[in-house]
Amino acid sequence: EAGVAQSPRYKIIEKRQSVAFWCNPISGHATLYWYQQILGQGPKLLIQFQNNGVVDDSQLPKDRFSAERLKGVDSTLKIQPAKLEDSAVYLCASSLVQGNNSPLHFGNGTRLTVT
Amino acid sequence: AQSVTQLDSQVPVFEEAPVELRCNYSSSVSVYLFWYVQYPNQGLQLLLKYLSGSTLVKGINGFEAEFNKSQTSFHLRKPSVHISDTAEYFCAVSDPGDYKLSFGAGTTVTVRA
Repeated sequence: EAGVAQSPRYKIIEKRQSVAFWCNPISGHATLYWYQQILGQGPKLLIQFQNNGVVDDSQLPKDRFSAERLKGVDSTLKIQPAKLEDSAVYLCASSLVQGNNSPLHFGNGTRLTVT
Repeated sequence: AQSVTQLDSQVPVFEEAPVELRCNYSSSVSVYLFWYVQYPNQGLQLLLKYLSGSTLVKGINGFEAEFNKSQTSFHLRKPSVHISDTAEYFCAVSDPGDYKLSFGAGTTVTVRA
């Protein structure tokens, strides 16, 4: 079974620029998550999708962050404009269904550096 | 919302020695508890989870954890570590009906020969 694929692996941008990250979940996984992991902290949930609908985006800074999962498969996360404090690893995860009996499978993440 | 405190940010340990990573959570009501491992430059991988039943949970790679409701703790243990166990370990908690994971800040385990 192929894992969760994320690209790019690394991205360096200047503040006020925009950036996009891409995630391809495991085939058949209905639930997709984006997490932000700042250095020295645990991952923080940004947004959760169930198929192509948003389940929870309460922690997403909507003035600059957006995410979509138009066909219920791939997802993109965008930051526009980026701030220095957005430097972090952005992790995508997927699960077969929503629920704690369905384990999360994480991708390797995209490391963003904002200068 | 639940919160998690991992009491040790760094744990150095010698190969073949035991290790314990401490985790406390905020609420005394029903919770689900998890330990994840993150190897360098990789995503998180589930080590074990407690949903209900036996308070001693066994996971992959020889790890186990014990749920202690009275102390609101879920400490992770391994009796004999290997160099390959060098990684960051995250404790996480969720409400049973919520499915959202709240992660601790992580504990970095460095195993030395």
